[in-house]
Amino acid sequence: RKEVEQDPGPFNVPEGATVAFNCTYSNSASQSFFWYRQDCRKEPKLLMSVYSSGNEDGRFTAQLNRASQYISLLIRDSKLSDSATYLCVVNIIKADRGSTLGRLYFGRGTQLTVWP
Amino acid sequence: DVKVTQSSRYLVKRTGEKVFLECVQDMDHENMFWYRQDPGLGLRLIYFSYDVKMKEKGDIPEGYSVSREKKERFSLILESASTNQTSMYLCASSFVSSRAYNSPLHFGNGTRLTVT
Repeated sequence: RKEVEQDPGPFNVPEGATVAFNCTYSNSASQSFFWYRQDCRKEPKLLMSVYSSGNEDGRFTAQLNRASQYISLLIRDSKLSDSATYLCVVNIIKADRGSTLGRLYFGRGTQLTVWP
Repeated sequence: DVKVTQSSRYLVKRTGEKVFLECVQDMDHENMFWYRQDPGLGLRLIYFSYDVKMKEKGDIPEGYSVSREKKERFSLILESASTNQTSMYLCASSFVSSRAYNSPLHFGNGTRLTVT
């Protein structure tokens, strides 16, 4: 089982729609979570961190459900410029030669296209 | 703003050539990473480094090596390029507050390598 799983989509929505992506992770000891955005043929860029109590940044809302081990990203009032691939990223801690070592694991991404 | 610079945007090499991909970051970050990204496979970690002269294998190190002689520079080396190493290569950096926790990654704009 992959450490981080995402629905690859594609999601095709009209401008103004609300769209939500989910992501599940395998390790209950995970402590930090992020959403990245990647435009076509560009590098991934941090969209937002995800905090335990949930957090909002303009039209974007991120939620964390530790009990069910998933995080979500909600985009309200979609814009054409929101078209991109959204990557879920989880810091997973594993034992490594007698100590713990954290590593960031990426989901494969969810593709979003917003049409006029 | 963090700047991660990769030396080449596009590179074409022949099978069997030795290839160097260079990455420099200007924010005094301890951690540096090399990923490759292929359609349908997402981002896969090749090697990473938590300090100068230190390196750790990621998930797909075979056919690659790395060098970190200075804190700001992390080089990826393909000892003998093969066609299955045709890919987008992404370098990233982050600071670390502990071995268990990873702060968000900052990516370079990628090197698209074609091996013919």
